[in-house]
Amino acid sequence: DGGITQSPKYLFRKEGQNVTLSCEQNLNHDAMYWYRQDPGQGLRLIYYSQIVNDFQKGDIAEGYSVSREKKESFPLTVTSAQKNPTAFYLCASTSTGTGNTDTQYFGPGTRLTVL
Amino acid sequence: AQSVAQPEDQVNVAEGNPLTVKCTYSVSGNPYLFWYVQYPNRGLQFLLKYITGDNLVKGSYGFEAEFNKSQTSFHLKKPSALVSDSALYFCAVRDGRHAAGNKLTFGGGTRVLVKP
Repeated sequence: DGGITQSPKYLFRKEGQNVTLSCEQNLNHDAMYWYRQDPGQGLRLIYYSQIVNDFQKGDIAEGYSVSREKKESFPLTVTSAQKNPTAFYLCASTSTGTGNTDTQYFGPGTRLTVL
Repeated sequence: AQSVAQPEDQVNVAEGNPLTVKCTYSVSGNPYLFWYVQYPNRGLQFLLKYITGDNLVKGSYGFEAEFNKSQTSFHLKKPSALVSDSALYFCAVRDGRHAAGNKLTFGGGTRVLVKP
């Protein structure tokens, strides 16, 4: 998990509230990613950003929003439009080096529970 | 489109016995293949990857994986399993073409239980 921090570790939200999950990396990586993990399922890509001030939707972007104002930070907002937000959220980053063979490294995750 | 299949939800093995976790993939371009391990309530830890070259890749904690192009497989192996290897294992693939944007597709995960 070293180099990528996520906060908080646990987050509880009431229905109808927006919440923001933090992801910070000190690896000088260009690209950052947000995934959602549900029990018994693999990871699904929500949003990704390959450079500051630019990001793209992943496979399940509806109900989520992101920003990338700084290279080291990629916060994820779970909006009230997300119908089933209870899940484990993972942030990852990678350098987009010339070989483009780089590994994605993951943060420790945030577990979001909707009450 | 790219996809990964991990056909076994769970693998049980006795400590000291060989461990194999299966993975097959589908991708349009050259496959870049990865294995990660996840312990409870933790992020994913990188184990190893195949990009090109030798089909047998060695990684962390004594794990290795064999790339088989004809069978589109990338099975994870460990010659002698430890109780501490009990965890959730994920296989992932990405398209090696630069235009693909370094997006990984993950399998559903295989839970490994090593019994003493």
